[in-house]
Amino acid sequence: EAGVAQSPRYKIIEKRQSVAFWCNPISGHATLYWYQQILGQGPKLLIQFQNNGVVDDSQLPKDRFSAERLKGVDSTLKIQPAKLEDSAVYLCASSLRQGGDTQYFGPGTRLTVL
Amino acid sequence: SQQGEEDPQALSIQEGENATMNCSYKTSINNLQWYRQNSGRGLVHLILIRSNEREKHSGRLRVTLDTSKKSSSLLITASRAADTASYFCATRPSTGGGNKLTFGTGTQLKVEL
Repeated sequence: EAGVAQSPRYKIIEKRQSVAFWCNPISGHATLYWYQQILGQGPKLLIQFQNNGVVDDSQLPKDRFSAERLKGVDSTLKIQPAKLEDSAVYLCASSLRQGGDTQYFGPGTRLTVL
Repeated sequence: SQQGEEDPQALSIQEGENATMNCSYKTSINNLQWYRQNSGRGLVHLILIRSNEREKHSGRLRVTLDTSKKSSSLLITASRAADTASYFCATRPSTGGGNKLTFGTGTQLKVEL
């Protein structure tokens, strides 16, 4: 079974630029999550999708971050414009269903904002 | 905000020794999970313990949960160099929140040969 795929693995941009991350969850997984992990901290949930609907985006900085999962499969997370404090690893995870207890994580995208 | 705090922040042991790390959390939970993260990689689910369970085993892992103290511990027995990683506890709330997991700050474990 293929795992959660993410791209790119690394991205370096300058502040005020835009960046987008892509995630392909495990086939058949209805729930998709985006997390931000700042160095030395645990992951923090940014947004959770159930199929193509948003379940929780309470910690998403909506003035600069946006995410979509148009067909209920792949998802894209965008930052526009980026700030220095956005430097982090962005992790995508999926679970079989909303109540599914185990989340499967992708390798992450390491973003550096200069 | 971080729900849990792991203790210690860092732990260094010799191969073959046991490693114990602790997690404290703040609100009522449905379950508590432990994840491992190797350097520069994503997280891997290790074990889940539900709020009505007190102890659970999986291979060399033993997890305990004390809901009265809002704490959990993860024991890795007979550690190996490959166990070197960061370990995070994550809690799922007992009410609302869907399947939202809130992660702790992590324990960095180093197992030396």
